[in-house]
Amino acid sequence: ETGVTQSPTHLIKTRGQQVTLRCSSQSGHNTVSWYQQALGQGPQFIFQYYREEENGRGNFPPRFSGLQFPNYSSELNVNALELDDSALYLCASQLSGGRGDTQYFGPGTRLTVL
Amino acid sequence: GNSVTQMEGPVTLSEEAFLTINCTYTATGYPSLFWYVQYPGEGLQLLLKATKADDKGSNKGFEATYRKETTSFHLEKGSVQVSDSAVYFCALPRVNNAGNMLTFGGGTRLMVKP
Repeated sequence: ETGVTQSPTHLIKTRGQQVTLRCSSQSGHNTVSWYQQALGQGPQFIFQYYREEENGRGNFPPRFSGLQFPNYSSELNVNALELDDSALYLCASQLSGGRGDTQYFGPGTRLTVL
Repeated sequence: GNSVTQMEGPVTLSEEAFLTINCTYTATGYPSLFWYVQYPGEGLQLLLKATKADDKGSNKGFEATYRKETTSFHLEKGSVQVSDSAVYFCALPRVNNAGNMLTFGGGTRLMVKP
């Protein structure tokens, strides 16, 4: 176990709706990243939060947004859901610092958009 | 930008067979390199890493050597077990002040038969 938890485990939404996914980082980790993993593919980096601010972003539109809280928990929000948003969403936490530092992943939230 | 190319799967082996999963990368400089494993229904776990050229990462019988001359980080195991059945991802980071933003390969599914 990595100490990173995510909720909910599964979620079903319809096109056009909004969704919020939650992540609780490993204790003491001040950096959190979110990834989208479509079925049968590798995870794609969405964005990273550090000190409660977005600190890096992948090739995702603005309807993907996030928050990081002082207790290092975080949220991923997706507005105007599209069918292609169906995926496993993974969060990963790490202690900010060196190039070899490890990211610890949560079990993911499976989002299905109908 | 960074990119990672993995051999496509699935790879099907008998127990105790030798495993190689190829991974090559494109990056600026000499990033750290990672192998992650995803067991069915679970998130990603770090399997091994190497932080500089010629480093060998190893864990649970798996090994990978960072080859800068061939920009490769192939994963090997001398004798696979049924319990090694999973999807394996090669990854490299883009590093900022807060940590790593990972670029993953597409994943290679390994199936080991008794």
